[in-house]
Amino acid sequence: EDQVTQSPEALRLQEGESSSLNCSYTVSGLRGLFWYRQDPGKGPEFLFTLYSAGEEKEKERLKATLTKKESFLHITAPKPEDSATYLCAVQETSGSRLTFGEGTQLTVNP
Amino acid sequence: GAVVSQHPSWVICKSGTSVKIECRSLDFQATTMFWYRQFPKQSLMLMATSNEGSKATYEQGVEKDKFLINHASLTLSTLTVTSAHPEDSSFYICSARWGAQNTEAFFGQGTRLTVV
Repeated sequence: EDQVTQSPEALRLQEGESSSLNCSYTVSGLRGLFWYRQDPGKGPEFLFTLYSAGEEKEKERLKATLTKKESFLHITAPKPEDSATYLCAVQETSGSRLTFGEGTQLTVNP
Repeated sequence: GAVVSQHPSWVICKSGTSVKIECRSLDFQATTMFWYRQFPKQSLMLMATSNEGSKATYEQGVEKDKFLINHASLTLSTLTVTSAHPEDSSFYICSARWGAQNTEAFFGQGTRLTVV
């Protein structure tokens, strides 16, 4: 059974204070690992898809990396508008469903 | 990114009544749509997967007679919560995907259902 564990559960940063969120996963065969951002009362917003170990993707202040066991979402010089819950999900090669982690609630204080 | 529209964004209904939630892909044809449920401070739990023109595949523990899913076209899927009870109150979210299975899924804005 696929398992996705995100850490930390919650993270408070000062504006400009860079950090990383972790997503550890167990899957029989990885088709893709996905990162989403979710604001309160809204549906998840797609950020990145990573397909193979060593792959990296960037978007503004966010950079996602992937190894065979985990993925990191690096946030460089965050701003208050980056405050949200960040969700990680995996899709295995044998199916189409996504298995989500519990998310990391990020708060960036001005 | 692709746009998925979910309607209504919130609904309050009386216990025992049924509620229909719509999920539309606005600028692409969704070969697969997913319905999720999310409780406060928790992650998304997949309820069912539907392919256009086929019966939905429900996750273990999800009552198919209570949560009716119809995926009648490549742009529309509906979730009907039948005989709703207060324990059905939750945040329901749909997502849609097109093409190959490894393309990203785009999410609707969610529907907050409150059963009183």
